[in-house]
Amino acid sequence: DTEVTQTPKHLVMGMTNKKSLKCEQHMGHRAMYWYKQKAKKPPELMFVYSYEKLSINESVPSRFSPECPNSSLLNLHLHALQPEDSALYLCASSLKTAGTEAFFGQGTRLTVV
Amino acid sequence: GESVGLHLPTLSVQEGDNSIINCAYSNSASDYFIWYKQESGKGPQFIIDIRSNMDKRQGQRVTVLLNKTVKHLSLQIAATQPGDSAVYFCAESHLGTDKLIFGTGTRLQVFP
Repeated sequence: DTEVTQTPKHLVMGMTNKKSLKCEQHMGHRAMYWYKQKAKKPPELMFVYSYEKLSINESVPSRFSPECPNSSLLNLHLHALQPEDSALYLCASSLKTAGTEAFFGQGTRLTVV
Repeated sequence: GESVGLHLPTLSVQEGDNSIINCAYSNSASDYFIWYKQESGKGPQFIIDIRSNMDKRQGQRVTVLLNKTVKHLSLQIAATQPGDSAVYFCAESHLGTDKLIFGTGTRLQVFP
């Protein structure tokens, strides 16, 4: 199994809503990542978890809150988002950070209205 | 700061020709590089990687070349097919950081 599974595939939410994005992998990877991708742009790193601990927060606004309940799961909790937060949110995992192949999920297309 | 960028935003090639996609990076500490392919509406798909102790690595129809002197890497696709049409990104990381940073991307268009 070399899959990273993200749910939901699409999400529309209002600016006062609270929602969560979910990511799951069963490859035994110990590093997991959240990226944000706007149209025609490269993925931008948001967060990195290493062995279930947050190792990198790329100055992401607090309305985005990551969580890593266990080594297979990664969540991104969303609250009070802005329309400019609309993007494709990508989850990835790798055996370990730095210098190992990272596998990506298909992403969640988020629209904030 | 760190940056990984590409020289050409769009590359158009004829089916059957070879394609070369280039990438420049600025962080001399980078020691691991990955090429990804991203089709419309999908997540990036791993193509091939290379470590800084290598100059060249080959896969199926693809070759990555790394020139550390000028901080440049390239992806060569042999006998380009319509299914190769996508956006290609290079990404880099280095030991001592947990970051995987993407370059700006090149769109490859294959025409018959």
